[in-house]
Amino acid sequence: GENVEQHPSTLSVQEGDSAVIKCTYSDSASNYFPWYKQELGKRPQLIIDIRSNVGEKKDQRIAVTLNKTAKHFSLHITETQPEDSAVYFCAAAGGGNKLTFGTGTQLKVEL
Amino acid sequence: DSGVTQTPKHLITATGQRVTLRCSPRSGDLSVYWYQQSLDQGLQFLIQYYNGEERAKGNILERFSAQQFPDLHSELNLSSLELGDSALYFCASSYGTPKSDTEAFFGQGTRLTVV
Repeated sequence: GENVEQHPSTLSVQEGDSAVIKCTYSDSASNYFPWYKQELGKRPQLIIDIRSNVGEKKDQRIAVTLNKTAKHFSLHITETQPEDSAVYFCAAAGGGNKLTFGTGTQLKVEL
Repeated sequence: DSGVTQTPKHLITATGQRVTLRCSPRSGDLSVYWYQQSLDQGLQFLIQYYNGEERAKGNILERFSAQQFPDLHSELNLSSLELGDSALYFCASSYGTPKSDTEAFFGQGTRLTVV
């Protein structure tokens, strides 16, 4: 089955700096890669996703890149703000099958 | 509001007991996923149903079982509960077809405390 690894587990940045979270996946059949943000005590919410026919996708301060050959994808957050502090999860899925999540990255944006 | 409804929101029960968690997916969504999130842990996949049938299974304990009914709502049954089963249980739903995946929407979760 699919295995998703996520790094780093914790990330601390200064407000205004960029943050990068990286994930690798094992199943070459996976073709859908969403990223979720989970604030303390709340449900995970989708912030951006990418499909395997696209190499990069951007939405304001958030971007995701995908390298199918290397089986890795990354989340980039620019101009970080305190409200970006949360746990971020990457996930991979393919063929209508289960979403497999990474172990999460605790992002802390310091003033 | 994601459109995914989970009940109850909180549940406190004793070891050895059995509980049922309920999930109503978003209107039109065919896939239902169940995840377990222990304190400071990631999202551990338990099981997925698609249009009433089991589609994928994770490391779900034999004491746990689930089903998806004809109206597409799902129930997760946890039996012979142990202290270690205390966690936040999330249900998520997506439209997802056998050939294509779509965004999964999460419910608010059921916080289970076993005492």
